[in-house]
Amino acid sequence: GNSVTQMEGPVTLSEEAFLTINCTYTATGYPSLFWYVQYPGEGLQLLLKATKADDKGSNKGFEATYRKETTSFHLEKGSVQVSDSAVYFCALSDNDYKLSFGAGTTVTVRA
Amino acid sequence: SQTIHQWPATLVQPVGSPLSLECTVEGTSNPNLYWYRQAAGRGLQLLFYSVGIGQISSEVPQNLSASRPQDRQFILSSKKLLLSDSGFYLCAWSTPGTANQPQHFGDGTRLSIL
Repeated sequence: GNSVTQMEGPVTLSEEAFLTINCTYTATGYPSLFWYVQYPGEGLQLLLKATKADDKGSNKGFEATYRKETTSFHLEKGSVQVSDSAVYFCALSDNDYKLSFGAGTTVTVRA
Repeated sequence: SQTIHQWPATLVQPVGSPLSLECTVEGTSNPNLYWYRQAAGRGLQLLFYSVGIGQISSEVPQNLSASRPQDRQFILSSKKLLLSDSGFYLCAWSTPGTANQPQHFGDGTRLSIL
């Protein structure tokens, strides 16, 4: 079956630091890949997506590249802000209406 | 543009009481609809999803049920709440008829069982 594995948190960073959250996946077909962000007390927001190999999704300074050869979709941001403190979820959909989510990674950015 | 509404935002209920959470989507027809639960500090658990009126798929056996009485309305219910039903409940929708689409989430309902 499909599965998503994210690096365990929590991750604590200082402002302007570089952020990487690792995500690897297992799928039988050619999935679409997503990153979601959840701010405290809120629902999930779609951050970025990629639908095929070598696609790069980007939004709000975050980027992730769909790497089929390593089955990965790592999230990166070059300079984080306090407002980036949130829980980040990697997810995939493989020829399905449902999403498979990773466990989430909590990121805290300190001023 | 499409919007999704969930209510109430917070709810405190005694053990054994009934539950009804409502979710509506505007700006699209026949969306796929989903109910998730998120326990404190945990990931997302898909409870139910629906690809059309009257069609409900259950992912996890439990004392919750879901209904879709109208095209863009999705209701989560329970006849008797358990302490373990506490959590953050999220409704989501996705574009109908096409796989591999992102889901779009509501703001959630925080349910506390006393």
